[in-house]
Amino acid sequence: RKEVEQDPGPFNVPEGATVAFNCTYSNSASQSFFWYRQDCRKEPKLLMSVYSSGNEDGRFTAQLNRASQYISLLIRDSKLSDSATYLCVVANTGGFKTIFGAGTRLFVKA
Amino acid sequence: DAGVTQSPTHLIKTRGQQVTLRCSPISGHKSVSWYQQVLGQGPQFIFQYYEKEERGRGNFPDRFSARQFPNYSSELNVNALLLGDSALYLCASSFGVVATTEAFFGQGTRLTVV
Repeated sequence: RKEVEQDPGPFNVPEGATVAFNCTYSNSASQSFFWYRQDCRKEPKLLMSVYSSGNEDGRFTAQLNRASQYISLLIRDSKLSDSATYLCVVANTGGFKTIFGAGTRLFVKA
Repeated sequence: DAGVTQSPTHLIKTRGQQVTLRCSPISGHKSVSWYQQVLGQGPQFIFQYYEKEERGRGNFPDRFSARQFPNYSSELNVNALLLGDSALYLCASSFGVVATTEAFFGQGTRLTVV
């Protein structure tokens, strides 16, 4: 089993749609959780951190369920510019080892 | 301010050769991490350095080594290159020691081994 697993995708959605990505992790001692965005042939960029209480940044909402070892990202009112690969990231034991999921590709169509 | 800079941007090497990749972190950042990204996969963690000391290591063979200099720049060395080492190598810098917290990535070095 992979340490971090994401929905395989790709997701193809129309503009304005709501889309949700799921991610599970295997190490219960994991301490920090993030979503990164990576555009084609570009470097990953931090989208948002994920907190136990859940957090929101504009159209983006992240949730963490430690008991189920599950992380989610919800994107509302999708824009063409949201088309990218979304990477789930888990940091273990003091944050010294970081594990990226394989990523979920999102295509938003007009 | 300059972001994370990596050099070279592209590199072609022959099997068995050695390669050195370079990374300059954002000014004021003391932590540098290295990742390998194969097409279609997420970045795989190789090393993290903080204050010139190795703080984390991923599941990579001993052919991979790295170091961090007093100015916090870093080098990643790979010996005895294999075809499977062909990938995008990413460097990320952050202010604190906890990896990925506010981490900023460089644009990467694309290594092709032939």
